Amino acid sequence: DAGITQSPRHKVTETGTPVTLRCHQTENHRYMYWYRQDPGHGLRLIHYSYGVKDTDKGEVSDGYSVSRSKTEDFLLTLESATSSQTSVYFCATGLAGASNNEQFFGPGTRLTVL
Amino acid sequence: QKEVEQDPGPLSVPEGAIVSLNCTYSNSAFQYFMWYRQYSRKGPELLMYTYSSGNKEDGRFTAQVDKSSKYISLFIRDSQPSDSATYLCAMIGKGGTSYGKLTFGQGTILTVHP
Repeated sequence: DAGITQSPRHKVTETGTPVTLRCHQTENHRYMYWYRQDPGHGLRLIHYSYGVKDTDKGEVSDGYSVSRSKTEDFLLTLESATSSQTSVYFCATGLAGASNNEQFFGPGTRLTVL
Repeated sequence: QKEVEQDPGPLSVPEGAIVSLNCTYSNSAFQYFMWYRQYSRKGPELLMYTYSSGNKEDGRFTAQVDKSSKYISLFIRDSQPSDSATYLCAMIGKGGTSYGKLTFGQGTILTVHP
């Protein structure tokens, strides 16, 4: 276990409300990622970070923003939640450039937007 | 068309069977190939990692890569009920390793029944 926690683990919210998901790691990994997982789509990258205050967009970034003010924390914000953002969200960390490109995943956050 | 295609299954086999899981891809830049295993309501974990074409064996698991056909496989011998999980293929090109951005398949749901 790479020491990755996500909070909250479950959340139900209403359309139009802002939502922030938190990822916390204790492994001092430089790289952090946010994915969403939906049936038929596998894991899709939303945003990633390659250092404190260094972030970039992934494959499905519309409607999401991120911030990383400390090595250990990576926040994902849904500015105005929509029903299409109902999903399971996974945070991951990694040592990109390592010999096996392994990513370590958190336990996930199940988000429902009504 | 997705860069990585994986048959989502579900796949149901009896205990002791040989299981074959497969992915095809279109991006010829992919050079590193991985299989992740995800148990129900958990985050994915790295199972196997291979570089370029060839086979790699780890206990009951064998990963195979055929770059000429853009096809990768995971074989599970003597399958056990504890192998029941979702298996996701993932891959990355040499240029992507600086940020560790993986591209995942959709995942195959496997059930091994006693």
